[in-house]
This record gives sequence, structure tokens and C-alpha cells, in this order.
Amino acid sequence: GAVVSQHPSWVICKSGTSVKIECRSLDFQATTMFWYRQFPKQSLMLMATSNEGSKATYEQGVEKDKFLINHASLTLSTLTVTSAHPEDSSFYICSAQEGNVGEQYFGPGTRLTVT
Amino acid sequence: QKEVEQNSGPLSVPEGAIASLNCTYSDRGSQSFFWYRQYSGKSPELIMSIYSNGDKEDGRFTAQLNKASQYVSLLIRDSQPSDSATYLCAVNPLDNYGQNFVFGPGTRLSVLP
Repeated sequence: GAVVSQHPSWVICKSGTSVKIECRSLDFQATTMFWYRQFPKQSLMLMATSNEGSKATYEQGVEKDKFLINHASLTLSTLTVTSAHPEDSSFYICSAQEGNVGEQYFGPGTRLTVT
Repeated sequence: QKEVEQNSGPLSVPEGAIASLNCTYSDRGSQSFFWYRQYSGKSPELIMSIYSNGDKEDGRFTAQLNKASQYVSLLIRDSQPSDSATYLCAVNPLDNYGQNFVFGPGTRLSVLP
């Protein structure tokens, strides 16, 4: 149980384009989903927390107009990186939580490369 | 600012030994504690969760929690080279209006054959 999928697993895009990443909880209802970013050899960095049906809460320093998050249902959240630049190249990982306490289950991550 | 601290390592142990990973946290009101394993280039994977003081065992893994000392640890018995990874400690302060999970920076474990 507690499986979270992400799509795509990797993507290469050109600078200035937008990329959408999907995160799905496959066998449970995720009231809360999280989006993280991780650069090579660095720690996980929380970008934003989203609750189903409401606006995401962004961490300090994360541009909400650049990283659009939609948590439209209890099993799906999307992250759209708008007008991507090479510095946005990173490993983006989502996680899902049933309720707002308890374990977070991570998706396999999406590796984004912006050329 | 709620904080979770871990020794970044690397912690090197020989194959078959016990690896001991430690974590301290600042929020005394924290109620839920988790250990994740992250292999290089992969996303974190939940290993253990612990909610009560004492020990919790699952196979070769034992989580230990001491809320009075604000300390949680993970013991890995009979360490294998496949256990080589970064181990992340996470704390849920149960502050519904603030941070949900706080992750430590991780301890890199290397199990030497």
C-alpha cells in the first residue's frame, strides 16, 4: 500500500517553456501533498504544501507564480514550472499524506533538465 | 524555528556490524517521528515511524525514541552494503498552522564489505 507515482520521471525542455509534473496517490486519499526540490548532494528542500481544494502554501523564497501547484482531487497534484530556466534544473519530488499527520509517502521523483 | 539535527557523516561501518544513526529535535511538542532512507539519485523511502517512547523493531531496524531528551535514533543490525544510503530523520510537530514535517539534513551511511 501507500504508493505514490510521478510523471514524467525525467524531462528535458528548452529555456522559456513550461513543464507540468503530475503526482498521484494510487491507493489512498491524499489530503495533503508536498513538493520538494533537491539539488545534487544537497538536502531536500520543501517548496510548497497543498491541501485538496485549497491554494498551496509556499515556502519562503519559492515564487508561487513560477511554480504553479494545483491539488484538484484527493489523488492528484500537479506542479507546473513556468518559463523554465537552466537554474530550475533539479530533482523534483512529491509526497502525499493521508490527513495532516502521519507518514509522508514519496513519489519516485522527476528529473528536470532545462537547456 | 523548529529544527532537526543529524550528524552528516559519512558514518562508515563494516559489514555485519550495527550502525547507529542519531537525531535530535528542538520542538518538545513533537509527536511523530520517522526515518527515511534515500539512495543516491532516488527519492526517500519510509523505513520506520515511531510515536511512543521506547523501542520499535522491524526486521533489522530498531527505532528508539526518548521524548524527554528530544532524541530519536535508528539502529541497523547486521549492516549490509545495500544499506549504504543517506538516512533522513523527520519530525512532525503537529502544528497544523505551521510546518508539517521537518527533515534533518541526513546522515550518509557507508557499509564496507
